[in-house]
Amino acid sequence: DAKTTQPTSMDCAEGRAANLPCNHSTISGNEYVYWYRQIHSQGPQYIIHGLKNNETNEMASLIITEDRKSSTLILPHATLRDTAVYYCIVRGYYGGSQGNLIFGKGTKLSVKP
Amino acid sequence: GAGVSQSPRYKVAKRGQDVALRCDPISGHVSLFWYQQALGQGPEFLTYFQNEAQLDKSGLPSDRFFAERPEGSVSTLKIQRTQQEDSAVYLCASSLRGTGGTEAFFGQGTRLTVV
Repeated sequence: DAKTTQPTSMDCAEGRAANLPCNHSTISGNEYVYWYRQIHSQGPQYIIHGLKNNETNEMASLIITEDRKSSTLILPHATLRDTAVYYCIVRGYYGGSQGNLIFGKGTKLSVKP
Repeated sequence: GAGVSQSPRYKVAKRGQDVALRCDPISGHVSLFWYQQALGQGPEFLTYFQNEAQLDKSGLPSDRFFAERPEGSVSTLKIQRTQQEDSAVYLCASSLRGTGGTEAFFGQGTRLTVV
């Protein structure tokens, strides 16, 4: 079973920041938080991951709470092309089946003009 | 190529037919995963390879499903005697290592329709 909970859907206005929350209250110390998105008819696309520090790359920022029980993915200036299902996943550090990605249902983000 | 490549992109099979789906991971990637994605659902884990070793096949839904990666690069997912419930998108992913600090890259998937 997925170890994360996310809202089923969210809307965001084009050009505004999209803030996607994720709850992972049972995360253990050696597990990373990963975010992927899936645009219709494509394979999942990696966005960002982190352990305990906030992370930023060219696509997004990841804010992880100090207790690591929740996180927020931020798309700073959402465009229509960011409309997709966003998956928050916890992934074990030590590999093998612990390194597997367990997907939940994700959040369907709709960016509107 | 630079990414994970899967073939065929689309496959229609008659019920009872055997199918083979191919995955070409990114060169040098140690870990390879197969997922099944039903319509409207998130991807579901099927099996995991580290090099040529199949370390986890707990997600394979029945003994009709078989995966191999004999030389630690290309992988094939075989489904014998296909059933209608096997209709789904089959996704392959690879990562440089199997550990949690590395990202996994997905292919476009193979859409299997069993009629």
